[in-house]
Amino acid sequence: AQSVTQPDARVTVSEGASLQLRCKYSYSGTPYLFWYVQYPRQGLQLLLKYYSGDPVVQGVNGFEAEFSKSNSSFHLRKASVHWSDSAVYFCVLSNNNNAPRFGAGTKLSVKP
Amino acid sequence: EAAVTQSPRNKVAVTGGKVTLSCNQTNNHNNMYWYRQDTGHGLRLIHYSYGAGSTEKGDIPDGYKASRPSQENFSLILELATPSQTSVYFCASGDWGASAETLYFGSGTRLTVL
Repeated sequence: AQSVTQPDARVTVSEGASLQLRCKYSYSGTPYLFWYVQYPRQGLQLLLKYYSGDPVVQGVNGFEAEFSKSNSSFHLRKASVHWSDSAVYFCVLSNNNNAPRFGAGTKLSVKP
Repeated sequence: EAAVTQSPRNKVAVTGGKVTLSCNQTNNHNNMYWYRQDTGHGLRLIHYSYGAGSTEKGDIPDGYKASRPSQENFSLILELATPSQTSVYFCASGDWGASAETLYFGSGTRLTVL
């Protein structure tokens, strides 16, 4: 079985502050991990993905994420957030044998 | 740019009625998925398909059927709609490319069952 946990349903940060959104996964094999973003009243778009190699992966708009096998985590980070980053962020787990599964999502609000 | 189109965008149905949600992709992706989005649950997998003629059950298949008559089209069918199926439904197609599968999503269908 595989599962994804995003422990923070809502996160509020001030514009210009740094950001970390947490993601923990459960899977005994080799995971493929993703972050998707959903802007208000829109569909979902890929931010970044990890499948092998360097555990720190870069994504669009200054986002990065770090894979940790020992901690079963794939946290998303950004050095300085902008008001336009306000959205819902989903951590997603998949592998060669299973369809992608989503975490519950973290709603990010950026205060001006 | 991968394109996934869902129809209708909004649907109001009556309890016990039949509802069909349609999804079309023009990218020749083998994999297609149906998810529903509810507050507090993220996106939950209903059905998916690895190619024309195949469908697989996801995590919450009860009350739903799926049909994949062609590479391009993947439908979700609610034979007897219930108010608990009120939700936003997303279709996605998947492209493995050279690495892990990237999902391309439609804009969603908002379904209300009265």
